[in-house]
Amino acid sequence: SAVISQKPSRDICQRGTSLTIQCQVDSQVTMMFWYRQQPGQSLTLIATANQGSEATYESGFVIDKFPISRPNLTFSTLTVSNMSPEDSSIYLCSVESLAGSRSYNEQFFGPGTRLTVL
Amino acid sequence: QKEVEQNSGPLSVPEGAIASLNCTYSDRGSQSFFWYRQYSGKSPELIMFIYSNGDKEDGRFTAQLNKASQYVSLLIRDSQPSDSATYLCAVTGTASKLTFGTGTRLQVTL
Repeated sequence: SAVISQKPSRDICQRGTSLTIQCQVDSQVTMMFWYRQQPGQSLTLIATANQGSEATYESGFVIDKFPISRPNLTFSTLTVSNMSPEDSSIYLCSVESLAGSRSYNEQFFGPGTRLTVL
Repeated sequence: QKEVEQNSGPLSVPEGAIASLNCTYSDRGSQSFFWYRQYSGKSPELIMFIYSNGDKEDGRFTAQLNKASQYVSLLIRDSQPSDSATYLCAVTGTASKLTFGTGTRLQVTL
């Protein structure tokens, strides 16, 4: 499977600021996703990062708050904008399949970014 | 009704026993079913996936799927303390989007 890295691994930020999280994959992948895992809870899909076009957001998540870029098949960023303490969470990117390979929709997760907003 | 339901646990089993984890889902159109293991402070790790009714075995793990009853289960044979983790059930439909259950915390005791 692909090797997925995220930067930063953790950060402590002040209310009202923004943080950009990077997700890098060591091979080209077809699909990339961004999830949030709030303390003690399961994972919630924020959006699908589409290469070369606007991300597809899930209900309750908007582009102004969580702008996403995906300039190529190996890299994506998620920005958490105008942060509040309620944004404190673990943010995870995931990838589905290598480009050109058969997929059964398996997703593999990066190590996550632990964000604390004061 | 939640889309994917799991008992939060903790499920406590003695070392060497079989751990049985269950998951039900509401969308009859669901096509792919996954079990992830998540250790505290770590990201989810895919351990099993299943697409067809019946059983799928991989080492000590067996996934069971019953689409008519809309449930999927994970059996862990010869449970080890290192199996202690939260197990997340996830389901996809036609759009590749994973919907996760809340997870079952498994504790394997010595």
